[in-house]
Amino acid sequence: DSGVTQTPKHLITATGQRVTLRCSPRSGDLSVYWYQQSLDQGLQFLIQYYNGEERAKGNILERFSAQQFPDLHSELNLSSLELGDSALYFCASSEQGFGYTFGSGTRLTVV
Amino acid sequence: AQKVTQAQTEISVVEKEDVTLDCVYETRDTTYYLFWYKQPPSGELVFLIRRNSFDEQNEISGRYSWNFQKSTSSFNFTITASQVVDSAVYFCALNRGGGADGLTFGKGTHLIIQP
Repeated sequence: DSGVTQTPKHLITATGQRVTLRCSPRSGDLSVYWYQQSLDQGLQFLIQYYNGEERAKGNILERFSAQQFPDLHSELNLSSLELGDSALYFCASSEQGFGYTFGSGTRLTVV
Repeated sequence: AQKVTQAQTEISVVEKEDVTLDCVYETRDTTYYLFWYKQPPSGELVFLIRRNSFDEQNEISGRYSWNFQKSTSSFNFTITASQVVDSAVYFCALNRGGGADGLTFGKGTHLIIQP
């Protein structure tokens, strides 16, 4: 157990739908990062939050959004889902960005 | 922009052989961090090592060793006396440190250790 908790582990949904992925960071870590792993794009950084504020953006689509709550857990919202959004979504947490601990991921399948 | 290249898509060796996974990076930052992660078939990402740009000292941890050469922008990973349990996808990654921005990952090397 890495200390980073992601739910759900698996998610199957239809095109056009909206889903929310949840991440609880490791105790004491203020930063949360979201990554997408797909066969064609590999592992890509999506977005980072630090203590509730957006800190950095990577290759995140406009249909995707995230937030970090006062208790430091984070949610990644994916809307108007397309077949190409099927991927493994990872959350990672970090205290000061020098080490990153990943959760076990949420496997999203869009049908 | 930062870039990480892992030219070896797949490597297959017989158990107990030594194997080296190559990683070449590009960055304009003078301060940066390099990482290796392991992704076993179960799918999680397991941290192996972090190295900062000012520390070119090689590191050994059990059967694992890392060779960082700034002159060639490489951070190679060697597994000595490989075991079947080492079979996984290995990712090299880079970031500019300080927590700003996420990791830039290479495409990964799929390592297959045959018994």
